[in-house]
Amino acid sequence: DQQVKQNSPSLSVQEGRISILNCDYTNSMFDYFLWYKKYPAEGPTFLISISSIKDKNEDGRFTVFLNKSAKHLSLHIVPSQPGDSAVYFCAAWGGSYQLIWGAGTKLIIKP
Amino acid sequence: DVKVTQSSRYLVKRTGEKVFLECVQDMDHENMFWYRQDPGLGLRLIYFSYDVKMKEKGDIPEGYSVSREKKERFSLILESASTNQTSMYLCASSLGQAPDTQYFGPGTRLTVL
Repeated sequence: DQQVKQNSPSLSVQEGRISILNCDYTNSMFDYFLWYKKYPAEGPTFLISISSIKDKNEDGRFTVFLNKSAKHLSLHIVPSQPGDSAVYFCAAWGGSYQLIWGAGTKLIIKP
Repeated sequence: DVKVTQSSRYLVKRTGEKVFLECVQDMDHENMFWYRQDPGLGLRLIYFSYDVKMKEKGDIPEGYSVSREKKERFSLILESASTNQTSMYLCASSLGQAPDTQYFGPGTRLTVL
């Protein structure tokens, strides 16, 4: 059973508008969440993270929101730019060696 | 900056061949990981290592083995390559301190014919 779910395989957004990528998790023991960005034929790169003791973390155009009661987090990108077109992975850490990964959402920014 | 390098970006092998994928990290990280990425399936963990000569199976270890003889180097071995092992292989490393961010290499696109 998937513990981290990204239910939208793809998302298309107009350049300059807000992109919102969603992620749901089932394990309440997760206490740290990460977002990675991946371009084709490259490895994922770390984008932003959030600890479970916070409900928001911001880094430039990127903001991650965490709703622990709903077991839901979202990544907001404002404003969206063409270079943001990539696959975005959500991952959760629960204290072991492993990260638990979502299946990814492909973001397409339209000019 | 953390640097994780992988020996090949693209590799084409024949069914039944033994395949070695090498990964090197330069940040003295404790943990190293091998994943494969397939469309719609996200990143699936094959094996990881938390110390030299130590290894743990991930979610899909069948058909693979690993070796970590030195801290900076983690090798993935396909004992007898099969067509269903055609995939993007990603190596990652992490410091091993909570919370743990993983840093990835550029990936190896392996095609098994």
